[in-house]
Amino acid sequence: GQSLEQPSEVTAVEGAIVQINCTYQTSGFYGLSWYQQHDGGAPTFLSYNALDGLEETGRFSSFLSRSDSYGYLLLQELQMKDSASYFCAVTNSGNTPLVFGKGTRLSVIA
Amino acid sequence: DVKVTQSSRYLVKRTGEKVFLECVQDMDHENMFWYRQDPGLGLRLIYFSYDVKMKEKGDIPEGYSVSREKKERFSLILESASTNQTSMYLCASGLTGRAYEQYFGPGTRLTVT
Repeated sequence: GQSLEQPSEVTAVEGAIVQINCTYQTSGFYGLSWYQQHDGGAPTFLSYNALDGLEETGRFSSFLSRSDSYGYLLLQELQMKDSASYFCAVTNSGNTPLVFGKGTRLSVIA
Repeated sequence: DVKVTQSSRYLVKRTGEKVFLECVQDMDHENMFWYRQDPGLGLRLIYFSYDVKMKEKGDIPEGYSVSREKKERFSLILESASTNQTSMYLCASGLTGRAYEQYFGPGTRLTVT
């Protein structure tokens, strides 16, 4: 089976940096994805890590350590619009459906 | 841009009714998925399909069935709706070999009374 752990809530100040952690236990592992979901909206794909290390996309970065079964999403220069839920998800092959974590609700405050 | 549409944003049905939720994607994706999302439980996979006429059970298939007669369309069927199926239902699609990157529809908020 597969299970993922991520914090349920995080609060951070506008302009700051926040890190959302995700640990996983899987019977097989192919990669770690991150999705963003605003209230009332659809989840949208943010990033994917198959190899160890940091992937950067603008203000967002995602990190993976396969040996530690751990990853994180890093959001820099936080903006109010970043207030949303963030989900990590794993798959154990290129075609196996994702298993999602329960999500982290990020609140950005002024 | 990939577009995934769902037939209704809000739906209210009575217990015992048969309910059809429709999902259409316009990017020729092979894979399609149905999830339900409940507070504190995240997204849970109900059924998925890798191709026309194909279907696979996800983690919580009980009480649901699916149909995929055309590549672009994936339907979720609640044979006899129950109150515990009140939820947000999300459809997604993706390319073969890129299961990590899915495109979601806006969701259908189903209430069963």
